[in-house]
Amino acid sequence: AQSVTQPDIHITVSEGASLELRCNYSYGATPYLFWYVQSPGQGLQLLLKYFSGDTLVQGIKGFEAEFKRSQSSFNLRKPSVHWSDAAEYFCAVGASGGFKTIFGAGTRLFVKA
Amino acid sequence: SQTIHQWPATLVQPVGSPLSLECTVEGTSNPNLYWYRQAAGRGLQLLFYSVGIGQISSEVPQNLSASRPQDRQFILSSKKLLLSDSGFYLCAWGDTGKQYFGPGTRLTVT
Repeated sequence: AQSVTQPDIHITVSEGASLELRCNYSYGATPYLFWYVQSPGQGLQLLLKYFSGDTLVQGIKGFEAEFKRSQSSFNLRKPSVHWSDAAEYFCAVGASGGFKTIFGAGTRLFVKA
Repeated sequence: SQTIHQWPATLVQPVGSPLSLECTVEGTSNPNLYWYRQAAGRGLQLLFYSVGIGQISSEVPQNLSASRPQDRQFILSSKKLLLSDSGFYLCAWGDTGKQYFGPGTRLTVT
């Protein structure tokens, strides 16, 4: 069965420090992979997506993610975190030509001054 | 450009009361539409999706139902709310390539 695991429920980083949010997936074929961000009380916004090709994908707001097939991972990174990055981050997986997207439980990011 | 609306933004309802949440999309035709629920501290749970008028797929058996009376309108309903129905309800359109989310409805069942 398809699933997405985000091992960290919450992470705290200092402003200006680097960030890595972990995501592991279980999928029968090459999946579509996504990272979404949710500010408190808001809907979700797409940060970046991977369909095929270069395994390092760039997204909005300075985020990037790397697809590692051997590890079934799609970790999100940012070299320098800003206070405005505090939010909840969701990793998700979908199928080519399909309708459903499976979301992880989310990782809440706290940024300290 | 495409826009997705949800209302109401917040709702407090007693146990056993009915529910109707509405979602409408502008700027696109024949969208795939989705209802998700986000409970406190949990991820997004897909409740229903629709690929066309009158076509509803249910992902989780429960006391909720969905309807799509018009191409760009998606309604989430319940005849009798349970305490466990509390949560943040998100409507979205798109497909597995990308989904666009509405602002959400915060439902508290008391």
